[in-house]
Amino acid sequence: KQEVTQIPAALSVPEGENLVLNCSFTDSAIYNLQWFRQDPGKGLTSLLLIQSSQREQTSGRLNASLDKSSGRSTLYIAASQPGDSATYLCAVSWGSGNTPLVFGKGTRLSVIA
Amino acid sequence: DGGITQSPKYLFRKEGQNVTLSCEQNLNHDAMYWYRQDPGQGLRLIYYSQIVNDFQKGDIAEGYSVSREKKESFPLTVTSAQKNPTAFYLCASSIRGRPNTPRETQYFGPGTRLLVL
Repeated sequence: KQEVTQIPAALSVPEGENLVLNCSFTDSAIYNLQWFRQDPGKGLTSLLLIQSSQREQTSGRLNASLDKSSGRSTLYIAASQPGDSATYLCAVSWGSGNTPLVFGKGTRLSVIA
Repeated sequence: DGGITQSPKYLFRKEGQNVTLSCEQNLNHDAMYWYRQDPGQGLRLIYYSQIVNDFQKGDIAEGYSVSREKKESFPLTVTSAQKNPTAFYLCASSIRGRPNTPRETQYFGPGTRLLVL
């Protein structure tokens, strides 16, 4: 069964710290992987999308890496800020052509000022 | 503004009642999806549609029904057969890859929270 796992489930860090969120997936034959942010009671905002042929993507203070062979992705957040506090979800597509995503349960991040 | 809208924001269902959640998009996206989110959980797929007049069941389709009569709209009906409908429902859409566009990124609406009276 194709599954996505995120560790840790929750993380609390002081402001300014660099941090890494982890995502692992079964079946390395992925099509793409997306990282999303979700604020309480809100929808999802796409942060980064990595195609299966790519190793990493960057947007501002965010960097996502992909290692298909080991079934892992990481989301690196530099110089964390209280505004980064949210739940971060990793999602994988195993099919091309507008196919559904399989989601991890997320990591709830709290950045303390 | 282009985007995905969901209504209502909150919905209350009585026992034995069917309710319909609305999802509309003006992004000209081909595919639309319905996911369910329970507290502390990731999203689980209910139904999805890749083209008009066609849709497929997801992992938890029992007790739900959908239609896709227009490209812009993908309503979800929660039937009385769904015994535990309390959850946060999220609609999403995506388009096949285009040059200079992240391929098949899924865009999400703001969600509808369904509660049982």
